[in-house]
Amino acid sequence: EADIYQTPRYLVIGTGKKITLECSQTMGHDKMYWYQQDPGMELHLIHYSYGVNSTEKGDLSSESTVSRIRTEHFPLTLESARPSHTSQYLCASSEPREGLRSPLHFGNGTRLTVT
Amino acid sequence: SQQGEEDPQALSIQEGENATMNCSYKTSINNLQWYRQNSGRGLVHLILIRSNEREKHSGRLRVTLDTSKKSSSLLITASRAADTASYFCATAGTGGFKTIFGAGTRLFVKA
Repeated sequence: EADIYQTPRYLVIGTGKKITLECSQTMGHDKMYWYQQDPGMELHLIHYSYGVNSTEKGDLSSESTVSRIRTEHFPLTLESARPSHTSQYLCASSEPREGLRSPLHFGNGTRLTVT
Repeated sequence: SQQGEEDPQALSIQEGENATMNCSYKTSINNLQWYRQNSGRGLVHLILIRSNEREKHSGRLRVTLDTSKKSSSLLITASRAADTASYFCATAGTGGFKTIFGAGTRLFVKA
């Protein structure tokens, strides 16, 4: 298993609350990603980062925001949680190999339930 | 729309049998990757095959790639109950850095 950590593992929270999902990696990877996955379904890229101070929106529209102040840390924030945000959120990182499109290393995910 | 589509969506076999999963994609790729996901966990990378490769082996895994048909297959030989998981193919395109995943094949291996 890769050294990429997500907290919390499970989160149940009420509508309207602000939440931050944490993701940290100790591999020094430049590229980091957030995917959203509903149970038994495909993964959708919602945010990615090429490195410090670089963030981009992914293919799936998301009301979340991300920041990348340090290489190892890529938190995802929801300013006002809604039931439609209920899902599993997976963080990943990859090595900075140009032109190779390196494999992704995933954390174990945060399963978010908004009531 | 998603790049990769796996077939079948679900597969149930007996321990010791072989399991074959297929993946089709739509655009040009740099490489294709297969991942495994155990229930409630993150994905684990299994094998990567580059666009100029046709076949690759890793232990009990065999992956083929046919770029003319835009398809790949993952074969797990002599399956074990521990192989029970979802298997995803993912493609990395020739442009950009985004890896795009299919919907996965759910494999159940009965002991």
